[in-house]
Amino acid sequence: AQTVTQSQPEMSVQEAETVTLSCTYDTSESDYYLFWYKQPPSRQMILVIRQEAYKQQNATENRFSVNFQKAAKSFSLKISDSQLGDAAMYFCAYRSAVRDDKIIFGKGTRLHILP
Amino acid sequence: DGGITQSPKYLFRKEGQNVTLSCEQNLNHDAMYWYRQDPGQGLRLIYYSQIVNDFQKGDIAEGYSVSREKKESFPLTVTSAQKNPTAFYLCASNRGGQAGVTQYFGPGTRLTVL
Repeated sequence: AQTVTQSQPEMSVQEAETVTLSCTYDTSESDYYLFWYKQPPSRQMILVIRQEAYKQQNATENRFSVNFQKAAKSFSLKISDSQLGDAAMYFCAYRSAVRDDKIIFGKGTRLHILP
Repeated sequence: DGGITQSPKYLFRKEGQNVTLSCEQNLNHDAMYWYRQDPGQGLRLIYYSQIVNDFQKGDIAEGYSVSREKKESFPLTVTSAQKNPTAFYLCASNRGGQAGVTQYFGPGTRLTVL
């Protein structure tokens, strides 16, 4: 069974600095999708970024980018120029491209932004 | 505006009572999901449905029931058999198939058992 591990329960970063959140996953599949979701204090889950495993190029969305290392099964999220609004829980998630069913979530990393 | 709505935002229930949480989407998505979130925990899948009139148990289905009579609606009933129902419940949907794998979420319902 696939698993997603986020080894950092909490992190802090100074406003305007850069922070990287770690995520590793375990799978025997070669085709899959990876996601980062953000859950701010409102508790609304928001998609931050998505990566297709067959794409070698790392996905980027404005200040958010990923470092996708397929062989190492690593999928870290880099937030540049951190802003107060980035404070949230961040969840890493995995979805098979072969089986059409559920997404598997990590337990999350709580990110604090220090003014 | 297209989206997912969940109601109510806060729900209180007495022990021994069943309660139904609403989830509606107007995104024309085929697949819908229910998750439970407890403090300090990630999301745990309760039930999911990939098509109308069909649904599958997730990882923690005991004490819950669902129906999917309409594409737009996927209500979740928390029964009295659920031993610890106080939690935050999230509904999600995606288009289905490989072209629509990204899940989008509703705002959630906070259920408290008194």
